[in-house]
Amino acid sequence: DTAVSQTPKYLVTQMGNDKSIKCEQNLGHDTMYWYKQDSKKFLKIMFSYNNKELIINETVPNRFSPKSPDKAHLNLHINSLELGDSAVYFCASSQVPHGPAFFGQGTRLTVV
Amino acid sequence: GQQVMQIPQYQHVQEGEDFTTYCNSSTTLSNIQWYKQRPGGHPVFLIQLVKSGEVKKQKRLTFQFGEAKKNSSLHITATQTTDVGTYFCAYDGGSQGNLIFGKGTKLSVKP
Repeated sequence: DTAVSQTPKYLVTQMGNDKSIKCEQNLGHDTMYWYKQDSKKFLKIMFSYNNKELIINETVPNRFSPKSPDKAHLNLHINSLELGDSAVYFCASSQVPHGPAFFGQGTRLTVV
Repeated sequence: GQQVMQIPQYQHVQEGEDFTTYCNSSTTLSNIQWYKQRPGGHPVFLIQLVKSGEVKKQKRLTFQFGEAKKNSSLHITATQTTDVGTYFCAYDGGSQGNLIFGKGTKLSVKP
């Protein structure tokens, strides 16, 4: 069983569309994250959730919104997609805040 | 705010040579973690260092945390082609649950 799984793996969409990326972890972790990795491979934290409560929200556009229906899931919704949103998005989880993180396989988002 | 620099950004080595990447902070870190990301893959947790002066080894990899807990290094002895990838340090950004990653060191190994 995959510990942290995210879908889809690839997502190609047009500018202006709304899309979602799903993430699930079966590790029983309390903290989940979303990271954006750009073409230079920099990993930028976008959101982190601890026990379903948003505890940090970096300076990302409000077009991005995390949704956590339960402790095991943290989905990412993106409205009005822009070309600059093209990147690889990683979901991750950790047992405790800022503890060792386990990453999903990534979602490569391409906005055309 | 906390500033952590990871150097070098790139490193090209001949197979069998050693490799070291460094993370240097302007402030004391509570702990530091190291991750490896293979090309096309996702970051994979390698180790966490917590104590001042801590040294940990995993086969050919040696991890160190400085006495002042401001610096850390990852050293690979006798690199192999399987070591190719980007190595990241990560640390507590100061806000609850905020895990910040350094910019990474991309290692390439020439056979």
